Formats: sequence, structure tokens, C-alpha cells
Amino acid sequence: GAGVSQSPRYKVAKRGQDVALRCDPISGHVSLFWYQQALGQGPEFLTYFQNEAQLDKSGLPSDRFFAERPEGSVSTLKIQRTQQEDSAVYLCASSAKTGVEQFFGPGTRLTVL
Amino acid sequence: GENVEQHPSTLSVQEGDSAVIKCTYSDSASNYFPWYKQELGKRPQLIIDIRSNVGEKKDQRIAVTLNKTAKHFSLHITETQPEDSAVYFCAADPGYSSASKIIFGSGTRLSIRP
Repeated sequence: GAGVSQSPRYKVAKRGQDVALRCDPISGHVSLFWYQQALGQGPEFLTYFQNEAQLDKSGLPSDRFFAERPEGSVSTLKIQRTQQEDSAVYLCASSAKTGVEQFFGPGTRLTVL
Repeated sequence: GENVEQHPSTLSVQEGDSAVIKCTYSDSASNYFPWYKQELGKRPQLIIDIRSNVGEKKDQRIAVTLNKTAKHFSLHITETQPEDSAVYFCAADPGYSSASKIIFGSGTRLSIRP
């Protein structure tokens, strides 16, 4: 594909539901990042993968958040027992390596009712 | 950990005038400083970046300066145009090979008055 894609683009969940957000990075990109962007704020780091290895998950807000990239390509961010404060845009980005331009996906807007 | 402060949070300039956005960072190990532009409802897109071995970089109407000693970096947009209206984010990246965590500023909403 031409760029980073994410699905779904919009997700409405009832409080307590589990959700799974998918990211398809640019083919061949080693690094993959997940960010949470609240309205009017900058992206906040959640977690980082280098190939299939999750090297940093210090930004995950709670143990309800889990991310994986089992084959070093597609990644899934899972949020269990969603809460209203989880409502945000979840951005995925990929880069050829660390310390270079990150290409962002369009984001998934999660609304928890 | 790294902390990035960005000012101002909103900026309104007359079309044709210049706009300057300033950021400071705390981690002296940061060595890559990208600037992203985000239009309403769209993804952030890189507009310019600078590495710590360079003090200034220019690309047409956009320039970025870096002062490593003071841990300041700034974005300069000259001859502003309506399409420059967007939210701009600075970021600092330590660029470690094993753990790279870009930290973003809180953003500057730039409005260009016709």
C-alpha cells in the first residue's frame, strides 16, 4: 500500500466492551508506534515495536491496554473493559528505522459511551 | 524522561506575515527534532526535521533552528498563506536503536487572517 492504514476509522463502544484497533504499516518498515491523541492535544506515546519485539510499552495507561505485532508487520491495539476516558483518536505510525520520519495512519476515533 | 514544551498554543497572523513557533526539550540525548502539521481531522504529516548536528535547516518558506546548548528549537514560516492554517506539533526523539520514544509538544493552532 501507499501509506499506513488503520481500521476501523471510527469505533463506538459501550463502557466495558473490549475493542481491537488494527494498523497496517508501510511495507518493510521496521518500527511501529502507537499514540493516543486527545482532542486539542498532541499525540501521546503508547508503545513501540521494532519488528515483532515490543521494546517500549511505558506509555500504555493501564493493564487494560495491550498491543501486539506477532509477525513484525500488522499490529493490533486492544483495549479491554473500555472506559469513557479511553475516548480519543488512536494513531499508528511506522518508520524505516528509529530516529527518522514517522508516517502516520489516519487514526481510529474511539468513542466510549 | 523527555519533556517538550511548545509555545504559543494559538497564533494568528496576517497573510503574508511570518509565524514563529518555539519549543524546548529537557533530554540532552534527544538528537532528532521533527515538526508535524495536522489539518483538522487529518493525520499528522512531517513538514521539516532537523538533527542535532545541524543548527538550521530551510525548505522554501519553512525553516527550523536548533540551539542544543539552550535546548530550544523553533519553526519559522515566512510569507504565510491560508493553506498554512493548521495545528503544528514539535517533537523530540532520542533516536536510540533499542528504544525510540518521540515526545510531542502540545501543539500550536496557527490561523492565517486574510
